Amino acid sequence: NAGVTQTPKFQVLKTGQSMTLQCAQDMNHEYMSWYRQDPGMGLRLIHYSVGAGITDQGEVPNGYNVSRSTTEDFPLRLLSAAPSQTSVYFCASSYLSQGDSPLHFGNGTRLTVT
Amino acid sequence: KNQVEQSPQSLIILEGKNCTLQCNYTVSPFSNLRWYKQDTGRGPVSLTIMTFSENTKSNGRYTATLDADTKQSSLHITASQLSDSASYICVVSPYNTDKLIFGTGTRLQVFP
Repeated sequence: NAGVTQTPKFQVLKTGQSMTLQCAQDMNHEYMSWYRQDPGMGLRLIHYSVGAGITDQGEVPNGYNVSRSTTEDFPLRLLSAAPSQTSVYFCASSYLSQGDSPLHFGNGTRLTVT
Repeated sequence: KNQVEQSPQSLIILEGKNCTLQCNYTVSPFSNLRWYKQDTGRGPVSLTIMTFSENTKSNGRYTATLDADTKQSSLHITASQLSDSASYICVVSPYNTDKLIFGTGTRLQVFP
């Protein structure tokens, strides 16, 4: 099993550009989520999904869109990149959204917006 | 406001020594408390998950404890190894919600 795979590993964007961060998991997990990690702050939830066709907003959803057309994939779209979106982005999945199901994280996408 | 605070922010120890990391939280009620290890440049990896009714859980040289009365948890690392150098993140899952609350982590460095 590859687990959670994120691409690309690194990305540089200019302000106003759009892009999609890819996330795929091969563990048949229903729950998938996107987080951003900034220095001095805990991981913050951007969007999450409890199954194909279902998405919901997290703590910091502005400027990001998601969709979940399949169980395996959960892409994150930046509509118009801003310097404030410079961060490390992590995708995570788990068997259940609650209970004692651990989150499995990808290795992140480091995004710089200039 | 639900918060998770960790201490110390950073810690340096010598290889072979033990150490304890602290986590205080204000989340109530909560379903479970988790500890994750994050190596530099990698995603977090789950170490332990404890429900509100559990007091302790071990994973090899890692032992987590939970005191729900004082809202404190600790992660004890025994006989540290160089590979233990990482950030350790405490995470609390509030009751009946999909949203986890993450601490900012403790950065541990183990030197030979």
